[in-house]
Amino acid sequence: EDKVVQSPLSLVVHEGDTVTLNCSYEVTNFRSLLWYKQEKKAPTFLFMLTSSGIEKKSGRLSSILDKKELFSILNITATQTGDSAIYLCAVITPDSNYQLIWGAGTKLIIKP
Amino acid sequence: NAGVTQTPKFRILKIGQSMTLQCAQDMNHNYMYWYRQDPGMGLKLIYYSVGAGITDKGEVPNGYNVSRSTTEDFPLRLELAAPSQTSVYFCASTFSRGQGFGGYTFGSGTRLTVV
Repeated sequence: EDKVVQSPLSLVVHEGDTVTLNCSYEVTNFRSLLWYKQEKKAPTFLFMLTSSGIEKKSGRLSSILDKKELFSILNITATQTGDSAIYLCAVITPDSNYQLIWGAGTKLIIKP
Repeated sequence: NAGVTQTPKFRILKIGQSMTLQCAQDMNHNYMYWYRQDPGMGLKLIYYSVGAGITDKGEVPNGYNVSRSTTEDFPLRLELAAPSQTSVYFCASTFSRGQGFGGYTFGSGTRLTVV
């Protein structure tokens, strides 16, 4: 059975800290891995990673994929209270009609 | 552009009642999906559609039905609501013809409580 596992399930840090969120996957065939940020409502798209070893970066957020070890990490540097959210990881497989296999998410709380 | 519009935002149903969650997108996306998200869990796929007139079951279809008579609309029908259907429901769409996959566009969600 295809599955995506995220760790930790929850994390509390102080403003200014750097955090690393993990996502590992076991799927029959892999196409891409996606990271989403979910605040109070719908998930919003952060990154899509398809190739191993190529870092995607957006401001203080960055992510990288390791297709050999079947995992991805999401880094957030100089965290701010606005980074508090659930971070979701999902994997898409070929020929799946773009269905996503979702992890349970990491709940990140940034304390002032 | 409105993107993906879901209605209602909140609803309380009694056990055994029925309702339809509405989803509409104006991006000419051919793929549409219904997910449910329970507390502390990831999203589970209920049904999806690859185009008008074509629908298929996802991971958790029992107790739900869908239709896709137009490209824009993808309503989700709950028949005989049960407490286990208490959840947040998200509609999503993706992929216009001629473009590569760039992730989903989500609606704002419907929080449903069955009592």
